[in-house]
Amino acid sequence: DARVTQTPRHKVTEMGQEVTMRCQPILGHNTVFWYRQTMMQGLELLAYFRNRAPLDDSGMPKDRFSAEMPDATLATLKIQPSEPRDSAVYFCASGLVRDGLARPEDTQYFGPGTRLTVL
Amino acid sequence: KQEVTQIPAALSVPEGENLVLNCSFTDSAIYNLQWFRQDPGKGLTSLLLIQSSQREQTSGRLNASLDKSSGRSTLYIAASQPGDSATYLCAVEGVQKLVFGTGTRLLVSP
Repeated sequence: DARVTQTPRHKVTEMGQEVTMRCQPILGHNTVFWYRQTMMQGLELLAYFRNRAPLDDSGMPKDRFSAEMPDATLATLKIQPSEPRDSAVYFCASGLVRDGLARPEDTQYFGPGTRLTVL
Repeated sequence: KQEVTQIPAALSVPEGENLVLNCSFTDSAIYNLQWFRQDPGKGLTSLLLIQSSQREQTSGRLNASLDKSSGRSTLYIAASQPGDSATYLCAVEGVQKLVFGTGTRLLVSP
């Protein structure tokens, strides 16, 4: 049963520390999304990649956040330096866009999330 | 276990019509409900977020209502445009974290 995995599941850190979250998309999927979920803002798209290239990172604070895909099996989201307002659940999702044509029925598969607390 | 259902699964309307999308959930113990738009191959775009204590939210031509006791939410789109064509998802956040609905695929023809 293929699924998206994320590590760590929980992270507590102090303000100013670097945080790295990792995601392993479903094998064969070519699109990876990073989302942030908070009680007040709900789910927000931070960035997404297609074939490892960033397509849109407009939802991500550029000064402290960075997202990369070192290879097709790993996506990373890094926060440096972290701040208390970054406390949230960070979700990774993956999907497959075939033949370069995204179809309405294409589904995103979500990972379990990383719960980040910055003190 | 929370289950979220959206009706209809697909909807096709001519430009200019007002339309309503429905979302129902089985467990009323939610923190909030959120409506999203999904364009093919792109990430989810948040449209409206309704906290559990609220009854409705409005943004431009969109209005979302929430009746927590009956487990229902509606998304009203006024004066639909071809650019509104997309899949619309509702999601509820509760003890089981985020649970997505099945989606409504909307096509607005010129």
